[in-house]
Parts: sequence; C-alpha cells; structure tokens
Amino acid sequence: GQQLNQSPQSMFIQEGEDVSMNCTSSSIFNTWLWYKQDPGEGPVLLIALYKAGELTSNGRLTAQFGITRKDSFLNISASIPSDVGIYFCAGQNQGGKLIFGQGTELSVKP
Amino acid sequence: KAGVTQTPRYLIKTRGQQVTLSCSPISGHRSVSWYQQTPGQGLQFLFEYFSETQRNKGNFPGRFSGRQFSNSRSEMNVSTLELGDSALYLCASSSGQTADTQYFGPGTRLTVL
Repeated sequence: GQQLNQSPQSMFIQEGEDVSMNCTSSSIFNTWLWYKQDPGEGPVLLIALYKAGELTSNGRLTAQFGITRKDSFLNISASIPSDVGIYFCAGQNQGGKLIFGQGTELSVKP
Repeated sequence: KAGVTQTPRYLIKTRGQQVTLSCSPISGHRSVSWYQQTPGQGLQFLFEYFSETQRNKGNFPGRFSGRQFSNSRSEMNVSTLELGDSALYLCASSSGQTADTQYFGPGTRLTVL
C-alpha cells in the first residue's frame, strides 16, 4: 500500500533557528497536507498544497509540493517555543483517503 | 463555525467489552473519517462515511464498525475490545468533495485494561 517516509523523526533546536522536515513516497499524491499536533489534541491543519511545484506560506511556515508529486517539505523560520509539537505530513490520493507520515517531534529550547 | 467535536474525550474499558464513540462534524460538512493513532503505528485510516454510506475503508478487522446519521453525525463502534485497541481515536470532517481538506476533532482517548 501507499506509505510516506517522514524525516527527521525528532529535532532538538534552539529558539530562533530554522527548521526543515520532509516527506517522500513511492506513490503519487494529488494533495499534500501538513498538520501539527499538540499533546492530547487532534492534528491542526497548517498548510494544504494542491498542485505540483506549489510553494505556499503561512506566517513563518513554508511548504512545497514536489514536482514529481511524490514529496513535500515544510520549513519553519525563526522557531519559537510554541512551535513545539509533532508535525505530520499527509498525502491525499485520488480516492480522498489520507496517508500520514510517522511524524516529526520538534523540541525548541528557549 | 464550531469545530469538530468528539465525545467522550476519555474512556476506560476492559477487554471483551464494546465501546461507541461519537463525532459531530463541522456544520455543512457531509464526510466524516475515522483514524486510530498509536505510538507504534502512527495515524491509520479506519473508514470514511459520506451521506450515511461508507465510502472508504482501511485495513482494520470487522470488530471496528461505524455509521453516519442523516445530520452527518457519526459513531464508531469497537466490539470485543483488545488491549491493542488502546489508542487515540480521531475523527475528521470535510465537505466530501474529492481532495477537500479534512479538519480533525480533539480525539477520544480509549484505554483498554
């Protein structure tokens, strides 16, 4: 079945640093989504990407839909303590089903 | 607009029991999807309901079932609970159009003893 490889699994960074994480797949997706999940809560949508090559920003967050439609990355600039959490990529196939990556756990040291 | 709501937020059951979880989608949304989240397996798709019909199904045993009502509210049922069913169960709603974005509820934390 379709699988996503998300890396890195965890990151420990200093406040103010930039962060980059990515997802790759052997399958093509029509949509790439990035979510953030805080402990005990459901994932919250950060950015949605609908076209190959699309580059979209949401404040300090920037994400891109890979040209091959098999990958996506998320960058966070000038990290702050509230960026702490688990970030998930998700690919949506033609049938609408979401396939999630394993998550990147981000820790930010003040 | 109110977000996706799930009840209860926390639940403790024992092996062999059954459980029913509820999800109310965002007003106007007709699709509800259910996911299981565990530390080992991550977020896994259970099933999707649209207009009271199951439209998509993941690879879970028949002990996991669901339904959707005419007001788009959905319930998920797990029968004959096993220890491995302990997880955060999340539902997500969308308009139901292909590739429309899914918005998640806060989840129900199920613990099976």
